[in-house]
Amino acid sequence: EIVLTQSPGTLSLSPGERATLSCRASQIVTSSYLAWYQQKPGQAPRLLIYGASSRATGIPDRFSGSGSGTDFTLTISRLEPEDFAVYYCQHYGSSPTYTFGQGTKLEIK
Amino acid sequence: QITLKESGPTLVKPTQTLTLTCTFSGFSLSTSGVGVGWIRQPPGKALEWLALIYWDDDKRYSPSLKSRLTITKDTSKNQVVLTMTNMDPVDTATYYCAHSSRVNSGWSFDYWGQGTLVTVSS
Repeated sequence: EIVLTQSPGTLSLSPGERATLSCRASQIVTSSYLAWYQQKPGQAPRLLIYGASSRATGIPDRFSGSGSGTDFTLTISRLEPEDFAVYYCQHYGSSPTYTFGQGTKLEIK
Repeated sequence: QITLKESGPTLVKPTQTLTLTCTFSGFSLSTSGVGVGWIRQPPGKALEWLALIYWDDDKRYSPSLKSRLTITKDTSKNQVVLTMTNMDPVDTATYYCAHSSRVNSGWSFDYWGQGTLVTVSS
């Protein structure tokens, strides 16, 4: 069973700074099936990145994804006030079919 | 455009069976490479995947909840139904349904419903 571990649990940064969020899988996973979501309070999650590095429709280019094997990264190049939220990584595979990480909270410093 | 909406009871008693309906528009669940999944989120906690049904009626379940879950689809009504038996207070959560596709999003969830909060309490 694949386990996704996100770090850090909480990241405190200021608008304009660069954010780097990590997602580590317990075994090698297929990059094609690694996704990132953003969730704001009271809202459903929003797909940001799929296939480890492809931006979903309408996602600003300050969001980028990278990685392979067991280590994946979501980078936000210059934080905007609306980017402060919780971020989840997710993998689609065989067993279980879907796995979510525990989330990283990005808060304003 | 693709939209999904969850419906069902907001309050269920322990041991009861929960039935949630996802009504969607903007796509067909008979189209190859499409699926609809259910994900839940207890208050203040992380997302947890529950189940997914594919266009060809193949079904997948969370291993830890498999014995309690059933997912079905009614293509003519554009609906997906999730039932969860033997509800417990720890099942209190917001339940989301979401669209997934192989080609457009690598089986990630690209469209989500607004979610419905289900509370389990006597």
